[in-house]
Amino acid sequence: GQQLNQSPQSMFIQEGEDVSMNCTSSSIFNTWLWYKQDPGEGPVLLIALYKAGELTSNGRLTAQFGITRKDSFLNISASIPSDVGIYFCAGPSGGSNYKLTFGKGTLLTVNP
Amino acid sequence: DTEVTQTPKHLVMGMTNKKSLKCEQHMGHRAMYWYKQKAKKPPELMFVYSYEKLSINESVPSRFSPECPNSSLLNLHLHALQPEDSALYLCASSQEPGSNEKLFFGSGTQLSVL
Repeated sequence: GQQLNQSPQSMFIQEGEDVSMNCTSSSIFNTWLWYKQDPGEGPVLLIALYKAGELTSNGRLTAQFGITRKDSFLNISASIPSDVGIYFCAGPSGGSNYKLTFGKGTLLTVNP
Repeated sequence: DTEVTQTPKHLVMGMTNKKSLKCEQHMGHRAMYWYKQKAKKPPELMFVYSYEKLSINESVPSRFSPECPNSSLLNLHLHALQPEDSALYLCASSQEPGSNEKLFFGSGTQLSVL
């Protein structure tokens, strides 16, 4: 099945720094979703991307749908302690939009 | 109401117990999902319900039995679970199945099987 390679696996940054993470795939995706998950909670949708080249912002978050449709990145500007969590990229896979393929996640730690 | 509500938040059960996880959404979504998530891993799909009918079963053992009583409710019945079934169980919904719609997740039930 389709796989998403998400990097980096973890990041340790100082408060105020900018963060960038990305996902790549060997297959084309028609949708890219970025989720954040806090410990013991469900993933929360941050940004949804539907069109190649699309650049979308949500507050301090910016995500882009790669022009080849095989990659996406998420940037967080001016990080704050509450940005701590696991960030997952995801996209519909296997020819069925019922099933989301998730990346393995990026664990973000922000030092105050 | 833009929430997916799951109960209970935490559940501890023995291997001979029978328990149920519940999920509810009032967004008018017609697709509902059960995912299983181990610590520090991505969610793994278990079941998909489309218009209240089971459309996908990802080869889940029969000790997990899903049920969709109506378009707003989704249950997961548990029986004779194993310790390796301990995980966070997530319910999700989307407006339509088979589309590029976004999935909205509940907070999950943290299950421990002793």
